[in-house]
Amino acid sequence: KNEVEQSPQNLTAQEGEFITINCSYSVGISALHWLQQHPGGGIVSLFMLSSGKKKHGRLIATINIQEKHSSLHITASHPRDSAVYICAVRTNTDKLIFGTGTRLQVFP
Amino acid sequence: NAGVTQTPKFQVLKTGQSMTLQCAQDMNHEYMSWYRQDPGMGLRLIHYSVGAGITDQGEVPNGYNVSRSTTEDFPLRLLSAAPSQTSVYFCASSYGGVGETQYFGPGTRLLVL
Repeated sequence: KNEVEQSPQNLTAQEGEFITINCSYSVGISALHWLQQHPGGGIVSLFMLSSGKKKHGRLIATINIQEKHSSLHITASHPRDSAVYICAVRTNTDKLIFGTGTRLQVFP
Repeated sequence: NAGVTQTPKFQVLKTGQSMTLQCAQDMNHEYMSWYRQDPGMGLRLIHYSVGAGITDQGEVPNGYNVSRSTTEDFPLRLLSAAPSQTSVYFCASSYGGVGETQYFGPGTRLLVL
C-alpha cells in the first residue's frame, strides 16, 4: 500500500463546478504540499500546510492531522485548471513522499 | 529571475551511453534535488544536496552520480544509460529543504533505447 494515496485518480468536470481532490497518508508528517503539474509538464507548488486551511484565489487546501487527510478544493472551476494535482508529505524523518496525482479535466 | 532551468528538454540515448543533465537555479537556494517521474508512480528522489560540496543519496540513486561545486548548479550524470532509466527527470530547489516551498525545473524527458 502506498504511503500517500490520492483520490480520485481521474476527474472530469464542467466549467463552474466545485472540485474536491483528496489525499490520505499513513506516515507521520510535519507538512503537506499540494502541487500542480501543467499539461506541458511543469510543476508548480500551490500550497504547503501543516494545520488548518489555506486559500489562494479559487483554491482552498485543508488538512486534518488526526485523520491523516487533506483536501484540495477548486471553486468555480475553469478549463485552465485542467492539470495533474499532486499531494506530497514531508515525513517526520525529513523525506518528501509523493502521491501519484489526480488528473483533472475541466470542460467548457 | 530565471528560477530553475534544466537542459536538455529531450534526449535520446543508446544503452551504454553517458550524459549529463544540467540543472541551475538563480535563487541562492541551498537545497537542490533530482527526481524521476514514471507512469503510475509518484516522483522519486534520486539524489539531493543541502549545499555546495554536500550531496546524498535518495530513494533510487543507482546508476546516477551528482556533484555540487557551486550553489547554483547541480548536474546529474548517467554513466552508462539503461532502458530502465527512461523517464522524465525534474530538478527542484528550495531555500531550506523539504519543509519549504519547492521550485521545480521544466523537466528533461529521456529515452534510452
